[in-house]
Amino acid sequence: AQSVTQLGSHVSVSEGALVLLRCNYSSSVPPYLFWYVQYPNQGLQLLLKYTSAATLVKGINGFEAEFKKSETSFHLTKPSAHLSDAAEYFCAVSRMDSNYQLIWGAGTKLIIKP
Amino acid sequence: EAGVTQFPSHSVIEKGQTVTLRCDPISGHDNLYWYRRVMGKEIKFLLHFVKESKQDESGMPNNRFLAERTGGTYSTLKVQPAELEDSGVYFCASSQQDLRLGSYGYTFGSGTRLTVV
Repeated sequence: AQSVTQLGSHVSVSEGALVLLRCNYSSSVPPYLFWYVQYPNQGLQLLLKYTSAATLVKGINGFEAEFKKSETSFHLTKPSAHLSDAAEYFCAVSRMDSNYQLIWGAGTKLIIKP
Repeated sequence: EAGVTQFPSHSVIEKGQTVTLRCDPISGHDNLYWYRRVMGKEIKFLLHFVKESKQDESGMPNNRFLAERTGGTYSTLKVQPAELEDSGVYFCASSQQDLRLGSYGYTFGSGTRLTVV
């Protein structure tokens, strides 16, 4: 069975500081991995995805994530936080054995301190 | 192209009432998914349509939930009768038939926030 664990329901960083949101997964088969973001009062927007190509994946708004198979991790980073990055971030893994439905982490709310 | 549209955006109903949520996928997208996030918990899969057929409804919580996709276009999710624990945000997503997510992936709607009081 596949599962996703996001460490920290809330992460607070100062504007301009490094953003690191952690995601660990378990999967018996090579996974597809995703990060989605939900801004206040909006829907889920895809930030980036890993689909077995390059292990370092670049996404929108300056975010990137690195797939580390040995650590079963897919942490999301951004070198310098901006106030507009305040949102909730979700890590998800795709179930290739079941029509590619997504298995989700619990989400991490990113708080940016001015 | 137009995105995935969901309505209503918010719905407040009393316990025991019926509510119908609607999702209009991107035109041409055969795959349509419903997900739900109950307050403070993970987003959970509800069901998956391929065109008008239910491909997987293993995530539907109970028989108070009924999903349809007549004609393979828009989909409705009816909750009857609604219970307090049904409160949450209901998301719809669509994707093209080719499920190689490296190329396509999902597009999500903005969600419907359902509150049962």
